[in-house]
Amino acid sequence: AQKITQTQPGMFVQEKEAVTLDCTYDTSDQSYGLFWYKQPSSGEMIFLIYQGSYDEQNATEGRYSLNFQKARKSANLVISASQLGDSAMYFCAMREAGGGATNKLIFGTGTLLAVQP
Amino acid sequence: EPEVTQTPSHQVTQMGQEVILRCVPISNHLYFYWYRQILGQKVEFLVSFYNNEISEKSEIFDDQFSVERPDGSNFTLKIRSTKLEDSAMYFCASRDRPDEQFFGPGTRLTVL
Repeated sequence: AQKITQTQPGMFVQEKEAVTLDCTYDTSDQSYGLFWYKQPSSGEMIFLIYQGSYDEQNATEGRYSLNFQKARKSANLVISASQLGDSAMYFCAMREAGGGATNKLIFGTGTLLAVQP
Repeated sequence: EPEVTQTPSHQVTQMGQEVILRCVPISNHLYFYWYRQILGQKVEFLVSFYNNEISEKSEIFDDQFSVERPDGSNFTLKIRSTKLEDSAMYFCASRDRPDEQFFGPGTRLTVL
């Protein structure tokens, strides 16, 4: 069965520094995708970044980058130049194989990031 | 920028009552989902919907739950007889491509 593991329940980072949030996954599928979402205290789920299993380059979106190490089954999120507004819960998620009608997401337990001034 | 919308933002109901949570997915999207998040826990898949039928449902999605796309824009989740343990944030999501899944702002359901 597919599984996402986020081992850091909470993280602190100083403003303007970079931070890495860990995510490992388990799947026997060859084709899959990995997502990161941000959930601020207001509760909404904000899509940050996506990495496909066949993508050779690490995904980047502005200050977010995904450190994808396929052999180690890890998909860590790197946030550069942290800002106070980055304080939130961060979830790693994986979608099922292929492009079928389901593609449901399986989520990890999340990491609560606190950015300190 | 197009977004998924959900109403109401907060619903309070008595145990045993029926509730309908409403979602308007992004207009050109074809795949729709409901997820729930019990307070302090991770997000869990409930059901996926495509081509006017359920494509997959989780073990949480029992006979008390149903989904419907009553018209070309709305996507609803009905809980027939709410239980205390149904209290959670319910998220609707939609997508067009496999490399995306956009979530609505959620409906916080409180069952008393």
